[in-house]
Amino acid sequence: GDSVIQMQGQVTLSENDFLFINCTYSTTGYPTLFWYVQYSGEGPQLLLQVTTANNKGSSRGFEATYDKGTTSFHLQKTSVQEIDSAVYYCAMRVDSNYQLIWGSGTKLIIKP
Amino acid sequence: ETAVFQTPNYHVTQVGNEVSFNCKQTLGHDTMYWYKQDSKKLLKIMFSYNNKQLIVNETVPRRFSPQSSDKAHLNLRIKSVEPEDSAVYLCASSARGNTEVFFGKGTRLTVV
Repeated sequence: GDSVIQMQGQVTLSENDFLFINCTYSTTGYPTLFWYVQYSGEGPQLLLQVTTANNKGSSRGFEATYDKGTTSFHLQKTSVQEIDSAVYYCAMRVDSNYQLIWGSGTKLIIKP
Repeated sequence: ETAVFQTPNYHVTQVGNEVSFNCKQTLGHDTMYWYKQDSKKLLKIMFSYNNKQLIVNETVPRRFSPQSSDKAHLNLRIKSVEPEDSAVYLCASSARGNTEVFFGKGTRLTVV
């Protein structure tokens, strides 16, 4: 069946460090891949969507790409700030099915 | 303001009690969802409701039931709460053909 694996449960960085979070996916269909961010006390919200392999999506200083060959997609930011402290989820939608398949989330902690 | 609104924000109750959580979306979407988020931030879909069609995650215990009066409202009832029901319950919505899912801020349930 369709699945998304997000291995990094928690990442701790200092301000201005480079962020890289990776997910892998498995599907026999055509995926659309997403990154959602959840700040404390809020629900998850869409950060980035990537629909075409090797194309980049970007928003708020974050970039996302996916590699069809390795069935992986990742989120990166060159220089994180304290306000980026949140939980980041990768997710996948397959074909026209409106259901999202979610990764397990990565908690990003930024040391002041 | 257009968004997904959930009440209450918090609820503490005893084992065996019945609880009900409200959710309303003013985004004009035709699909609504309930998710359970555990203490490790894992997101699990419980129900999705689209054009009067209910899709139930088969792992959801039968004491949980969604209740909809129209496409803007999807409430969640738990008939007899158990300790393992302690979690954050997130309501969400999306539009047909639109891949973005919008979440409410969640209801935190504590069962004592």
